[in-house]
Amino acid sequence: GEDVEQSLFLSVREGDSSVINCTYTDSSSTYLYWYKQEPGAGLQLLTYIFSNMDMKQDQRLTVLLNKKDKHLSLRIADTQTGDSAIYFCAESMTGGFKTIFGAGTRLFVKA
Amino acid sequence: NAGVMQNPRHLVRRRGQEARLRCSPMKGHSHVYWYRQLPEEGLKFMVYLQKENIIDESGMPKERFSAEFPKEGPSILRIQQVVRGDSAAYFCASSPQGRDEKLFFGSGTQLSVL
Repeated sequence: GEDVEQSLFLSVREGDSSVINCTYTDSSSTYLYWYKQEPGAGLQLLTYIFSNMDMKQDQRLTVLLNKKDKHLSLRIADTQTGDSAIYFCAESMTGGFKTIFGAGTRLFVKA
Repeated sequence: NAGVMQNPRHLVRRRGQEARLRCSPMKGHSHVYWYRQLPEEGLKFMVYLQKENIIDESGMPKERFSAEFPKEGPSILRIQQVVRGDSAAYFCASSPQGRDEKLFFGSGTQLSVL
């Protein structure tokens, strides 16, 4: 079945690294995504990884994919107060039209 | 290049009324998706449309909900005879080609049913 799970909350201090974790169930996923939602706004794509990759780095963001365990993580280095938002993990299936989203992890950054 | 435009941003309806939510995709995008977000929950897929065609409506409730994406004009999500449980944020997203693609989201319509 299709299911994406994330922890609901994460709190870090400004300057620390944040690691947001996600597990998914469908092994036929093609792309795995991280979206960011700020208050009152729609989702914005942060980064994505193709399912045959293990890691992707993009400036302060590092995505790690463990395909065996169906585990995806997003690491934000040097977390800033502007990073406070809800982060959604999502997957799309091979040849599919639907993108399946997790419930989102609310990141709080303390100054 | 305007992004995905949704209107209205906020919509208040009384129980039993109809709600119409509009979505104009990004320029050049012919694929539209509607998602619903309930408090403390993720986005739930509702429907995927291309111009004049519904491709996948597996997430749409069987009754009262309908969607269209006409040849001209925005995509419309229509909810008839709204109930309090329909209160949620409704997000529209678009993509250029449909399959396995990054989605571009609008800012959403917050529907409140009194």
